[in-house]
Amino acid sequence: EAQVTQNPRYLITVTGKKLTVTCSQNMNHEYMSWYRQDPGLGLRQIYYSMNVEVTDKGDVPEGYKVSRKEKRNFPLILESPSPNQTSLYFCASSPYDSYSYEQYFGPGTRLTVT
Amino acid sequence: GDSVTQMEGPVTLSEEAFLTINCTYTATGYPSLFWYVQYPGEGLQLLLKATKADDKGSNKGFEATYRKETTSFHLEKGSVQVSDSAVYFCALSDRDTGGFKTIFGAGTRLFVKA
Repeated sequence: EAQVTQNPRYLITVTGKKLTVTCSQNMNHEYMSWYRQDPGLGLRQIYYSMNVEVTDKGDVPEGYKVSRKEKRNFPLILESPSPNQTSLYFCASSPYDSYSYEQYFGPGTRLTVT
Repeated sequence: GDSVTQMEGPVTLSEEAFLTINCTYTATGYPSLFWYVQYPGEGLQLLLKATKADDKGSNKGFEATYRKETTSFHLEKGSVQVSDSAVYFCALSDRDTGGFKTIFGAGTRLFVKA
């Protein structure tokens, strides 16, 4: 089954404790992206990657890191989480058809930072 | 910069009622337009799309027409069902330096009563 998977689905952590949220896709998509969803704000892009070893900042990159060492994986790293990073996070991938840009989303990771 | 504005919710309708969710956009280029749907506890999934002016996207009884003259992409359905209860996001994607960029609206929550 074609899908984007994220782990963990739920995470409660404390301020300053480094964490990683994994994202993997099995559709051989070049493009992957991370978003955060907050009430009333829709989805905002954190980072995206056009291909292996190519990453770029989205609209809200502060406090986050990413890496793209393999085509299928795109982990999101919070090196020193803070309470304002409490949010619902989505990973997405896209085949990057130049006429479409449609994206496939993972199920989400709900992060709480206390 | 590019932006997407959609009507605030929640929208509450009775089963078999007509649905309209308004969406307008601003963009400097020639974006593709999308409606994504998010069912409770799930990630976003593509509902429909349109890639150029006057295109009509349709799926599962939902329709939206890409109107360049009014910069709009309103979502409509002739007869809603309880199972359509979800959050609907309007989005645009356009080519950007190094790839493409997607801007989401804030989302509109729809409740359909039996």
